[in-house]
Amino acid sequence: EDQVTQSPEALRLQEGESSSLNCSYTVSGLRGLFWYRQDPGKGPEFLFTLYSAGEEKEKERLKATLTKKESFLHITAPKPEDSATYLCAVQAMWETSGSRLTFGEGTQLTVNP
Amino acid sequence: DSGVTQTPKHLITATGQRVTLRCSPRSGDLSVYWYQQSLDQGLQFLIHYYNGEERAKGNILERFSAQQFPDLHSELNLSSLELGDSALYFCASSGGISGTARGNYEQYFGPGTRLTVT
Repeated sequence: EDQVTQSPEALRLQEGESSSLNCSYTVSGLRGLFWYRQDPGKGPEFLFTLYSAGEEKEKERLKATLTKKESFLHITAPKPEDSATYLCAVQAMWETSGSRLTFGEGTQLTVNP
Repeated sequence: DSGVTQTPKHLITATGQRVTLRCSPRSGDLSVYWYQQSLDQGLQFLIHYYNGEERAKGNILERFSAQQFPDLHSELNLSSLELGDSALYFCASSGGISGTARGNYEQYFGPGTRLTVT
């Protein structure tokens, strides 16, 4: 069974204080690892997809990296508007039709001004 | 705005009742997925439809059913509702099936329907 574990559960940062969120996964053949941002009561917003170990993707203050066992979401000089829950999900290679995502519980990030 | 629309935004109903949640995928997307998000369980995959056909099922209760229509919109039907069914229900869409361009694997979520069962 595919599993995704995110840490920490919650993270408080001061504005400008860089940090990283972790996503550890076990999957029988990874097709892709996905990062989403979710604001309270809203739908997850797609951020990145990573497909193979060593791959990196960047968007503004966010950078996602992937190894064979985990992914990191690095947040550089965060701002209060980066406060949200960040979700990691995996999709298994054996899934036909580009099917289900298995999500972690998320990391709730709070950035204080 | 992801381009995925869901109605209604909020739904309050009593135990034992039946409700229908509706989803319209992004223009051109053939796949529709349904997920449930509750406080104690996180985001859980329910079911996947591709171009009108059921493709995969997750932990979807027998009281729940879904379908995708020729115009590609989808409906999730929840019946004999229980208190524990209270949750956010999200629909997501993507472009196609495995073997096609990688971008088709990316799922874009709608704003969700908040279901409260009293």
